[in-house]
Amino acid sequence: DTAVSQTPKYLVTQMGNDKSIKCEQNLGHDTMYWYKQDSKKFLKIMFSYNNKELIINETVPNRFSPKSPDKAHLNLHINSLELGDSAVYFCASSQSMGTVYGYTFGSGTRLTVV
Amino acid sequence: AQSVTQLDSQVPVFEEAPVELRCNYSSSVSVYLFWYVQYPNQGLQLLLKYLSGSTLVKGINGFEAEFNKSQTSFHLRKPSVHISDTAEYFCAVSDLSKGAQKLVFGQGTRLTINP
Repeated sequence: DTAVSQTPKYLVTQMGNDKSIKCEQNLGHDTMYWYKQDSKKFLKIMFSYNNKELIINETVPNRFSPKSPDKAHLNLHINSLELGDSAVYFCASSQSMGTVYGYTFGSGTRLTVV
Repeated sequence: AQSVTQLDSQVPVFEEAPVELRCNYSSSVSVYLFWYVQYPNQGLQLLLKYLSGSTLVKGINGFEAEFNKSQTSFHLRKPSVHISDTAEYFCAVSDLSKGAQKLVFGQGTRLTINP
C-alpha cells in the first residue's frame, strides 16, 4: 500500500490550460503539504493544510489553489498554466503539524507546460 | 527564518570509499535537522533526523550524521558507499514561522558512485 500517492505521475499540457494534481495519504496524518521542485532540484514549500485548514501559503501565485476535502486528501489546481510552472510537484504528509516526525513524501508529479 | 546550506552540489566517489556530505544550518535556540535521499525519478525518503540528545545519529542504509552545535553543522557520512547510494541528498531544517512549522531544504548534493 502506497502511503502518499499522487496522480498523475506525469502531466504534459499547453500554456493557458487548467490542470489538477491529486494527493491522498493513508497514514492517518493530519497535516499535508505541497512542495515544488524546480529544474535545479531546489525544493520549496507552497502550501500546508492541517485538518483541512490552510496554515501555510508561501507567496504562491493565486493561479494555484489547493483544496483539502478531508485530512487524507490535498489537491492542487492550477489555472492558466505558464511555462515557468514546469516542475516536479511533491505532496507530503506529517503528524500533528510539527516536523519532529519528518515528512512522508509522494513520488511526485512531473508537470511539463509546452 | 531558518535555512540550510549544502556546501557541495556534486560529490563523486569510488565504490567502497567513505563519503561525507556537508550541511550547515543557520543558528537557533533549538533546531531539528533531517537528511533525505531522492533516488532518480522518485520521491524523498527520510534517512535520519536529529531532534535532541546524542549528537551522533544513525539512519538507514548505513548512513550517520553528527550534529555539531558550535559549528552549526550536520554532516552526513557513510564509511563505505555502494553503487546503489547514487542519488540526490537533501539536508533540511525545521522552521517555525507565522505559527506553523515547515521543512526548509538545502540545495541538494548529487552523490555519484563510480565503480
